[in-house]
Amino acid sequence: DTGVSQNPRHKITKRGQNVTFRCDPISEHNRLYWYRQTLGQGPEFLTYFQNEAQLEKSRLLSDRFSAERPKGSFSTLEIQRTEQGDSAMYLCASSLALNFDRAWYGYTFGSGTRLTVV
Amino acid sequence: DQQVKQNSPSLSVQEGRISILNCDYTNSMFDYFLWYKKYPAEGPTFLISISSIKDKNEDGRFTVFLNKSAKHLSLHIVPSQPGDSAVYFCAASAPYGGATNKLIFGTGTLLAVQP
Repeated sequence: DTGVSQNPRHKITKRGQNVTFRCDPISEHNRLYWYRQTLGQGPEFLTYFQNEAQLEKSRLLSDRFSAERPKGSFSTLEIQRTEQGDSAMYLCASSLALNFDRAWYGYTFGSGTRLTVV
Repeated sequence: DQQVKQNSPSLSVQEGRISILNCDYTNSMFDYFLWYKKYPAEGPTFLISISSIKDKNEDGRFTVFLNKSAKHLSLHIVPSQPGDSAVYFCAASAPYGGATNKLIFGTGTLLAVQP
């Protein structure tokens, strides 16, 4: 299976601790996205990489959040000094660029990392 | 500011009947729309998409209709099956050469198909 892989699936941490999540995208996809989903809401955009370059960051991504994608392969999302409001499902997705000549199949999402801050 | 809205949090239909899920958007720059399906504890999975140059796209039991003048799209599932029970998200994007292809999601509609 060459889908998007996210680790860990679940993370429980104490407030104030740092956490790091990993995402392994589909190998031929050059675009990688991080989204966050809270209860009753749809996924919200956090940040986007094209290859190794981080090209866009949402206002939702405070200074405590940092994301990297070294060598344009896997990506990590780190949250420093976690707060209870950070509790959410963190979703990673990858895609190819849109080609207007054919249908776009959107992203392929991973299963997510559920973060609980206690 | 919710640019993509799904006003029905839930929908219940009988097996074999039609399910109609609705979505409204406010940003006229959106020109690609997608529906995703999500089961608990899994990531969203792509279902069907439509470009703004079309008003209908069909894939098996799933059809998406787009009304640009009303900024409205809908997903029709015929016939509905119990395995279709999930949360359905509408998403929109404004892709234009080299841009992010960032998706803006609605809040989702929980579909329950009763046997």
